Amino acid sequence: DAGVIQSPRHEVTEMGQEVTLRCKPISGHDYLFWYRQTMMRGLELLIYFNNNVPIDDSGMPEDRFSAKMPNASFSTLKIQPSEPRDSAVYFCASSLVGGHREQYFGPGTRLTVT
Amino acid sequence: GDSVTQMEGPVTLSEEAFLTINCTYTATGYPSLFWYVQYPGEGLQLLLKATKADDKGSNKGFEATYRKETTSFHLEKGSVQVSDSAVYFCGAGGTSYGKLTFGQGTILTVHP
Repeated sequence: DAGVIQSPRHEVTEMGQEVTLRCKPISGHDYLFWYRQTMMRGLELLIYFNNNVPIDDSGMPEDRFSAKMPNASFSTLKIQPSEPRDSAVYFCASSLVGGHREQYFGPGTRLTVT
Repeated sequence: GDSVTQMEGPVTLSEEAFLTINCTYTATGYPSLFWYVQYPGEGLQLLLKATKADDKGSNKGFEATYRKETTSFHLEKGSVQVSDSAVYFCGAGGTSYGKLTFGQGTILTVHP
């Protein structure tokens, strides 16, 4: 299997622009997670889906953040408008059956907002 | 909710030294426990796991034992290498529908 695929790997954008991050989970996995990692705040869970349905979005920092999962093989995390404090590495992960099974992480998208 | 507390870093060791990174958890149920490793510029990779009390997870010379009585899952390695330099995350999951709860991460640096 190719593992979890994220694109782009690096994104540099100006404040106020819309940013869309993409994720393809491992085929057959029914959970998908979006995380954000910064030096100051560490690893934060933003939102997760089960069978394409959002289960918990309490970690989404503001209304500027939105996530969708239109089908089992694709998810997006959108930031509109972006701000410099959104600069971070964003990870997508997928798993089977929930927390008793390990999560498989993608390589991450490094976002820089200037 | 669940919580995971890890030993604060950074941890700096010489090659071939013994490594321990402490991890304790708080959970209402009976979680599965995990150690993940993150190398520079990469995502988190599963290092080892244990799903019930007294289970020992092991991989690449690393070990951790699920201790229910002390709610701990300490990571150990008998002889570290420079290539083990990374960030290590302890995680607990399974009691809160679908999620893993991670500790704050411990930076390990191994010098030749």
